[in-house]
Amino acid sequence: GENVEQHPSTLSVQEGDSAVIKCTYSDSASNYFPWYKQELGKGPQLIIDIRSNVGEKKDQRIAVTLNKTAKHFSLHITETQPEDSAVYFCAEGADRGSTLGRLYFGRGTQLTVWP
Amino acid sequence: NAGVTQTPKFRILKIGQSMTLQCTQDMNHNYMYWYRQDPGMGLKLIYYSVGAGITDKGEVPNGYNVSRSTTEDFPLRLELAAPSQTSVYFCASSHQTGFQPQHFGDGTRLSIL
Repeated sequence: GENVEQHPSTLSVQEGDSAVIKCTYSDSASNYFPWYKQELGKGPQLIIDIRSNVGEKKDQRIAVTLNKTAKHFSLHITETQPEDSAVYFCAEGADRGSTLGRLYFGRGTQLTVWP
Repeated sequence: NAGVTQTPKFRILKIGQSMTLQCTQDMNHNYMYWYRQDPGMGLKLIYYSVGAGITDKGEVPNGYNVSRSTTEDFPLRLELAAPSQTSVYFCASSHQTGFQPQHFGDGTRLSIL
């Protein structure tokens, strides 16, 4: 669970457009995939998560998709608003084995939404 | 409900000094974690604890020590501060294993000069 690649590192969109952030992982044992939002000067806050028995999960304007075969998962934000501007982190973890309880984070994506 | 509280928010240390970063949570969570965040590098796990009296190393434990004498508190100790330890440190807690959301504090920004 140590290799999580996150792209892009920066993303600028116009208000109302959609934003997509993608992550890939290498550990086949990984089965938990949360996304965190970090605003300036604050700690990361969970916004949505998905488990490996589910392919897609949606919460209002936010959705996450998971492709376990290809080992990648994505965050989709629709109808973006300026308050969506923040750093977004993907992470992955497993509920068994030597890494039980631990999360491995991507390097983050700075999303800027222009009014 | 305060959640996870970290103190201090900012600190400047000289090389070789020692200090303790405090973390306390009021959610009765069993699991607690310490991360460091460097620019463009995401969060790296330093140490974690699955309950009082139990601690274990994460990805980057060198230069740090922890203790967990109570469920609420999980202090992080730097014994001999080095410039490489300049970072933002986050404490987090969760109710049980990794499938429960980790709740983060607002961080301690530490500079070693």
